[in-house]
Amino acid sequence: SYVLTQPPSVSVAPGKTARITCGGNDIGTKSVHWYQQKPGQAPLLVIYYHSDRPSGIPERFSGSKSANTATLTISRVEAGDEATYYCQVWDSSSEWVFGGGTKLTVL
Amino acid sequence: QVQLVQSGAEVKKPGASVRVSCKASGYTFTAYYIHWVRQAPGQGLEWMGWINPTSGDTISAQKFQGWVTMTRDTSIGTAYLDLNRLKSDDSALYYCARGGMIPGAPDAFDIWGQGTVVTVSS
Repeated sequence: SYVLTQPPSVSVAPGKTARITCGGNDIGTKSVHWYQQKPGQAPLLVIYYHSDRPSGIPERFSGSKSANTATLTISRVEAGDEATYYCQVWDSSSEWVFGGGTKLTVL
Repeated sequence: QVQLVQSGAEVKKPGASVRVSCKASGYTFTAYYIHWVRQAPGQGLEWMGWINPTSGDTISAQKFQGWVTMTRDTSIGTAYLDLNRLKSDDSALYYCARGGMIPGAPDAFDIWGQGTVVTVSS
């Protein structure tokens, strides 16, 4: 089955840029979505189709991808961005796959 | 306001079954797929399966095949997740989420329910 690999944690100072990676074989050929989950809350879609933002998501959130890695970038990080972030793809085996999640800590 | 509202927390004994409901409002229920996602305590997100509310067709993740049943009642805009033969490690938070439009390509989950805690304990 398809596997998405995320770093367990990323730390960044307020005002700096956080980059969260999501590795997968040939992920560059797939549509990648990103979710933010704060403690006690349901996940929230923050990036879809690897670089589009839903209405209401700040422009500070952006996405990109290369052949085997997708990246969620959060610019000018704020304390409120502290959360766990998950990447997601649709696999050709007809299953949705989530990455293991990356906990973003704002120092 | 587009939203999915799930049923309340459940406590079940091992071997029992449970039904979780997910009521849609603010949009046409039959126009979008509904997905179910599990999150064990302190763990990540795990996709369980999806249902086409128009046709009732379902696809389950291989891991959950034969264990979960997904149904819907279009008259009240509600999807259901039935879990059978519960074990203690099935204790988790279960979410429903809205997927892409029907018909259409697999799409991101743009609306999520608040989650339903299922606790399995003797």
